[in-house]
Amino acid sequence: AQSVTQPDIHITVSEGASLELRCNYSYGATPYLFWYVQSPGQGLQLLLKYFSGDTLVQGIKGFEAEFKRSQSSFNLRKPSVHWSDAAEYFCAVGKEDSGYALNFGKGTSLLVTP
Amino acid sequence: NAGVTQTPKFRVLKTGQSMTLLCAQDMNHEYMYWYRQDPGMGLRLIHYSVGEGTTAKGEVPDGYNVSRLKKQNFLLGLESAAPSQTSVYFCASSRDRGWEQFFGPGTRLTVL
Repeated sequence: AQSVTQPDIHITVSEGASLELRCNYSYGATPYLFWYVQSPGQGLQLLLKYFSGDTLVQGIKGFEAEFKRSQSSFNLRKPSVHWSDAAEYFCAVGKEDSGYALNFGKGTSLLVTP
Repeated sequence: NAGVTQTPKFRVLKTGQSMTLLCAQDMNHEYMYWYRQDPGMGLRLIHYSVGEGTTAKGEVPDGYNVSRLKKQNFLLGLESAAPSQTSVYFCASSRDRGWEQFFGPGTRLTVL
């Protein structure tokens, strides 16, 4: 079954520093992969998605992610973090056996310090 | 376009009471989903629908029922609420299988 793991529960970075959030997936074929962001008390907003093709995916707000089949990873990156990026980040994979519902990781909480 | 809307935004129930959460989308999407979000658990799928008149169970369906009588609406019912159903509930919709899902703002439910 398709699943994702986010190894880091909390991450703290300084404003202006680079960011990488880790996501590992479990699936034999090419998965549908997503990164969503959730600000406190808000719904989920899609940052980017990977279905096939170019393994480096560009998203909104300056985020990008790279699909690496050899490492079963889909890590999210941003070269320079802004204080407004503080939020909860979820990696997710589409599940073929559930109408392509999303199987979410448990999330990584990002704190940005001045 | 309003996208995905959820009614109500907040609700407090007593154990044993019933209620229905309404999800509506105006994007003509075929696929709709109900998730619940609990601290440290991420989001988990309760039920989903791949089209009008269809529903199916997800990962955590016990204690919930759903209906999709109209394409734009997906209702989630709690027949006899329990404290374990205290959670934030999110509805989502998708144009087709594998496409991105659009989420509603959520309903915060507390069961006392």
